[in-house]
Amino acid sequence: GDSVTQMEGPVTLSEEAFLTINCTYTATGYPSLFWYVQYPGEGLQLLLKATKADDKGSNKGFEATYRKETTSFHLEKGSVQVSDSAVYFCALSGLSSNTGKLIFGQGTTLQVKP
Amino acid sequence: GAGVSQSPSNKVTEKGKDVELRCDPISGHTALYWYRQSLGQGLEFLIYFQGNSAPDKSGLPSDRFSAERTGGSVSTLTIQRTQQEDSAVYLCASSLNKRETQYFGPGTRLLVL
Repeated sequence: GDSVTQMEGPVTLSEEAFLTINCTYTATGYPSLFWYVQYPGEGLQLLLKATKADDKGSNKGFEATYRKETTSFHLEKGSVQVSDSAVYFCALSGLSSNTGKLIFGQGTTLQVKP
Repeated sequence: GAGVSQSPSNKVTEKGKDVELRCDPISGHTALYWYRQSLGQGLEFLIYFQGNSAPDKSGLPSDRFSAERTGGSVSTLTIQRTQQEDSAVYLCASSLNKRETQYFGPGTRLLVL
């Protein structure tokens, strides 16, 4: 079945460092891909998404490119801030389901230190 | 406008008791999802409602779990005879339809003693 694999956390960075969180997926056809973020004490929020190959999603300085050839959707940010500290979830919505349900990776905790 | 709301925000119950969790989706959203977030299993899909169609219950972990959606709006998730392994955060999400972005509520944190 469909699945998502994220890099293990936690990830600890200094402010202004470059961030990469790896995400790879297994799915039939061309799923839609998402990054969700969960800030401390808050609910899940959509950060960005891409719905077809080579699309780049971007928001708040974060970017991710849908790579069909490597089945990847890695999250990047050029300069992280303390306020980016959160748990990040990669997810897909695949064609094998007719519901649009999301399949999530395990989540990666990011801690940014001043 | 108002987002997805869930109640209660926290629930502590004793093993064997029944619990009901409530979700109020965003007005006009026809698709509604329940997910569970637990330490051991991560975020997992439980059930999906779309309008008046039969729900997709494929993610429910056992027959102790059930859900309904009345009038195409509010949904309740019921867990009967709760077990300690049911302890988790239960998340509700809604979207305009199954192809659109899902918006999540703040969740209900359930602790079964």
